[in-house]
Amino acid sequence: NAGVTQTPKFQVLKTGQSMTLQCAQDMNHEYMSWYRQDPGMGLRLIHYSVGAGITDQGEVPNGYNVSRSTTEDFPLRLLSAAPSQTSVYFCASSYRNSPEAFFGQGTRLTVV
Amino acid sequence: EDQVTQSPEALRLQEGESSSLNCSYTVSGLRGLFWYRQDPGKGPEFLFTLYSAGEEKEKERLKATLTKKESFLHITAPKPEDSATYLCAVRVTGNQFYFGTGTSLTVIP
Repeated sequence: NAGVTQTPKFQVLKTGQSMTLQCAQDMNHEYMSWYRQDPGMGLRLIHYSVGAGITDQGEVPNGYNVSRSTTEDFPLRLLSAAPSQTSVYFCASSYRNSPEAFFGQGTRLTVV
Repeated sequence: EDQVTQSPEALRLQEGESSSLNCSYTVSGLRGLFWYRQDPGKGPEFLFTLYSAGEEKEKERLKATLTKKESFLHITAPKPEDSATYLCAVRVTGNQFYFGTGTSLTVIP
């Protein structure tokens, strides 16, 4: 059982480049979300989805886009990377009414 | 403003030395308080959920408690493998989650 899979694990981007962070889960979870983790800031919610075709903004959504065309996948797009987006990104999933969220291993992104 | 504060930032314990981690919160519409464990280079791993004041949950050497303003994670007779960062999070109305910055626990053999 793979759980929550994030790719890539590491990425370096130049300012202004765009890219997509991939997240896939095989547990048929309705709820998926993206967080960024920065030193001294804790995990902050970027975007989340309660099901296919439904997405909503979290605490820090600016500069990021998401879509949810299938239950399994929830990609995060950086439209024009900025150094302030250097962070570790985590994807998480859960059943809609379950308190237990499963996190991926994270993507460490550096924007230079 | 919704806020979650964890203390201490870091804690070093001798093996077998019990202690507690604190998570204080000021949120409206609390729909649950969560504790996670995070090992270096890994994603957080779910430990507990607490929903109402007075509730307690236990798992091995860990026990989580909740009051109206804070939660404690009690660690009894810790072992080196308990070394990790422990994160507290609250879920508020509208599917918003707020995490604290964590307590880094080191247990020395």
